[in-house]
Amino acid sequence: EAGVAQSPRYKIIEKRQSVAFWCNPISGHATLYWYQQILGQGPKLLIQFQNNGVVDDSQLPKDRFSAERLKGVDSTLKIQPAKLEDSAVYLCASSPLGGYSGNTIYFGEGSWLTVV
Amino acid sequence: SQKIEQNSEALNIQEGKTATLTCNYTNYSPAYLQWYRQDPGRGPVFLLLIRENEKEKRKERLKVTFDTTLKQSLFHITASQPADSATYLCALGGGNKLVFGAGTILRVKS
Repeated sequence: EAGVAQSPRYKIIEKRQSVAFWCNPISGHATLYWYQQILGQGPKLLIQFQNNGVVDDSQLPKDRFSAERLKGVDSTLKIQPAKLEDSAVYLCASSPLGGYSGNTIYFGEGSWLTVV
Repeated sequence: SQKIEQNSEALNIQEGKTATLTCNYTNYSPAYLQWYRQDPGRGPVFLLLIRENEKEKRKERLKVTFDTTLKQSLFHITASQPADSATYLCALGGGNKLVFGAGTILRVKS
């Protein structure tokens, strides 16, 4: 079974530039998550989708971050304009229908962003 | 506010010994708790889930305990091996939310 696919793996941009990350979840998984993990910290949820609807985006900095999940499958996360503090690993994850109710969450390898 | 505490200091143990990692929490009543393993440059990998009405869960060399009175979970790896070296994250879940701790680095020396 293929895992969660993410790209690009690494990205270096200057502050105020924009960047986009792509995620393809495990086939059949209805729930998709984007997490931000800053070095030395645990993953922090940015946004959770159930199919193509948003379940939780309470911690998404909406003035600069946006995410969409078209047709309930792939998802993109965009940052515009980037700030130095956005340097982190952006982890995409998916789980079967039911989201957090104890279901296992499967993570991708992450997209490493460095803002200089 | 909700707070999850894991040992910030790395845990260094000798191969063959039992590693015990701690996850303490405050201002939270989780319905369940999960443990994940994260290797450098990789995403977290799910290991075990324990629900609030369960005291203990085992899987091969892994054991998790959950004490809702003490607000603490202990994660044990018996007969540890150098391959067990990684960062271990606890995550508290409930109400459609899952909150991760910062993780503890485990180093197993041969």
